[in-house]
Amino acid sequence: EIVLTQSPGTLSLSPGERATLSCRASQSLSSSYLAWYQQKPGQAPRLLIYGASSRATGIPDRFSGSGSGTDFTLTISRLEPEDFAVYYCQQYGRTFGQGTKVEIK
Amino acid sequence: QLQLQESGPGLVKPSETLSLTCTVSGGSISSISYYWGWIRQPPGKGLEWIGSINYSGSTYNNPSLKSPITISVDTSKNQFSLKLGSVTAADTAVYYCARHASGFYREIEYWGQGTLVTVSS
Repeated sequence: EIVLTQSPGTLSLSPGERATLSCRASQSLSSSYLAWYQQKPGQAPRLLIYGASSRATGIPDRFSGSGSGTDFTLTISRLEPEDFAVYYCQQYGRTFGQGTKVEIK
Repeated sequence: QLQLQESGPGLVKPSETLSLTCTVSGGSISSISYYWGWIRQPPGKGLEWIGSINYSGSTYNNPSLKSPITISVDTSKNQFSLKLGSVTAADTAVYYCARHASGFYREIEYWGQGTLVTVSS
């Protein structure tokens, strides 16, 4: 079973700053079968990125995904107040990473 | 707009079976393309995929889960269901139903709002 490890566990940043979140897979993922989700307290997760780098419908272009094989990155170019949340990566159909919390510094 | 809604008991006793149903509206569960899944989240913890099913009953289940899992589909009611047997306190979680994009090996496009199930005597 492929394990996804996200880092850091918590990212403390200020609005307007750039956030870089990492997701590392224990084995290479086929065809960039990786997605990113955002979850706010009390809400269901929301799809942000699929296919490692494609933005889902309605997702602002400050969110971008990159990577292939075993190393993937979610970048938020300039943090807006509504972006402070927990972010999860997922191998398609299966395992999730443990999450990265982006909190206000 | 596709909507998913979980329903079922909020409290289950240890060793009993947890049963949840997801009702789909705004779209047909009989669509050939899609898989429908269950994901859970223990309080304060991360997401765990439980299993997924398509319209014909083809399933994928998480082999890491200790409790026996049964996922079924009822196309006449536009619903799919989860049964998790012999539950323990570790199965206390918010349970989400969801829909993959086209095919099983795809991202999860739609989520229900989630329902909290507590395992306690």
